[in-house]
Amino acid sequence: GENVEQHPSTLSVQEGDSAVIKCTYSDSASNYFPWYKQELGKRPQLIIDIRSNVGEKKDQRIAVTLNKTAKHFSLHITETQPEDSAVYFCAAGATGTASKLTFGTGTRLQVML
Amino acid sequence: NAGVMQNPRHLVRRRGQEARLRCSPMKGHSHVYWYRQLPEEGLKFMVYLQKENIIDESGMPKERFSAEFPKEGPSILRIQQVVRGDSAAYFCASTKSPSRANVLTFGAGSRLTVL
Repeated sequence: GENVEQHPSTLSVQEGDSAVIKCTYSDSASNYFPWYKQELGKRPQLIIDIRSNVGEKKDQRIAVTLNKTAKHFSLHITETQPEDSAVYFCAAGATGTASKLTFGTGTRLQVML
Repeated sequence: NAGVMQNPRHLVRRRGQEARLRCSPMKGHSHVYWYRQLPEEGLKFMVYLQKENIIDESGMPKERFSAEFPKEGPSILRIQQVVRGDSAAYFCASTKSPSRANVLTFGAGSRLTVL
């Protein structure tokens, strides 16, 4: 089955700096890679996703890159703000397997004032 | 249009009791997915159901856990004879069809605490 590894487990940045979270996956059949943000005690919320037919996707301060050859994908947050502080999860799945996403273990991002 | 509704939000059970968690999908959605999140961990897939059918239960523990999605009413995740290791947040998601099935929007979750 799929195995997703996520690094780092914790990340502290100064407000305004950039944050990068990296994930690798093992199953070459995976073609869908979402990122979720989870605040303490809340549900995971989808913030951005990318499919394997593109290498990069951007939405305001958030961008995701995908390297299919190396089987890794990354989340980039620019101009970080205190409200970006949360746990971020990457995931991988294959269309046609009905949302059987495999999640990484999470990165706790703290944006310091 | 209300999102995925889960209840109870918090449930406390003693070891050996039963826990029932309910999930009402978004209006018009007939596919339901259950995920479990242990403390300080990511979400793990448990089961995928359509109305009256279990499609994929490869993530369900072999014993004590069961799920159903009847023709009428919410989907139910049932845990019999709970143990402390069952303490977790259980999240449900729904989709209209499997073709867009990867895009999951989760409910608020049910947090089970086993004493």
